[in-house]
Amino acid sequence: DAGVIQSPRHEVTEMGQEVTLRCKPISGHDYLFWYRQTMMRGLELLIYFNNNVPIDDSGMPEDRFSAKMPNASFSTLKIQPSEPRDSAVYFCASSSSNYEQYFGPGTRLTVT
Amino acid sequence: GEDVEQSLFLSVREGDSSVINCTYTDSSSTYLYWYKQEPGAGLQLLTYIFSNMDMKQDQRLTVLLNKKDKHLSLRIADTQTGDSAIYFCAKSNDYKLSFGAGTTVTVRA
Repeated sequence: DAGVIQSPRHEVTEMGQEVTLRCKPISGHDYLFWYRQTMMRGLELLIYFNNNVPIDDSGMPEDRFSAKMPNASFSTLKIQPSEPRDSAVYFCASSSSNYEQYFGPGTRLTVT
Repeated sequence: GEDVEQSLFLSVREGDSSVINCTYTDSSSTYLYWYKQEPGAGLQLLTYIFSNMDMKQDQRLTVLLNKKDKHLSLRIADTQTGDSAIYFCAKSNDYKLSFGAGTTVTVRA
């Protein structure tokens, strides 16, 4: 299996622009998670899905952030408008159970 | 997360054993995990332990869990240069993982 796939790997954008991060989970996994990693706050869970349905979005920082999972093999995390404080590494992870989450390589986002 | 704490740095000589420690506050956690992150990479699941276990061994890795003290440790035997990385302790509640700040392990020759 190719593992969790994320794109792009790096994104540089200007403040105010829309940013879309993409994730393809491991085939057969029915849980998908979005995390954010920063030096100040460490790793934070933003939202997770089960069978394409958002289950818990309490970690989403504000309304500028939205996530969708239109089918079992694809999810997006969108930031609109982006701000410099959104600069971070965003990870997607997937799981077929509640005890093994497999992470993608991450998208490094820089907002100038 | 503040409810999972780890020391930030560990330096170890190649060939020695490394012990990384973690404490947590929530005793209702179902599973506890150790992840490894190398520079520029994602998190790699190393091992996990169910909360009703005391110990788990997997090749060079040994996980010890003291539920009474809410203390988790990861021992790496015969530490190699490839073990240099950041190691994260994490706990689960339902499907949500809470991570510690990570311990940077440096292996010196």
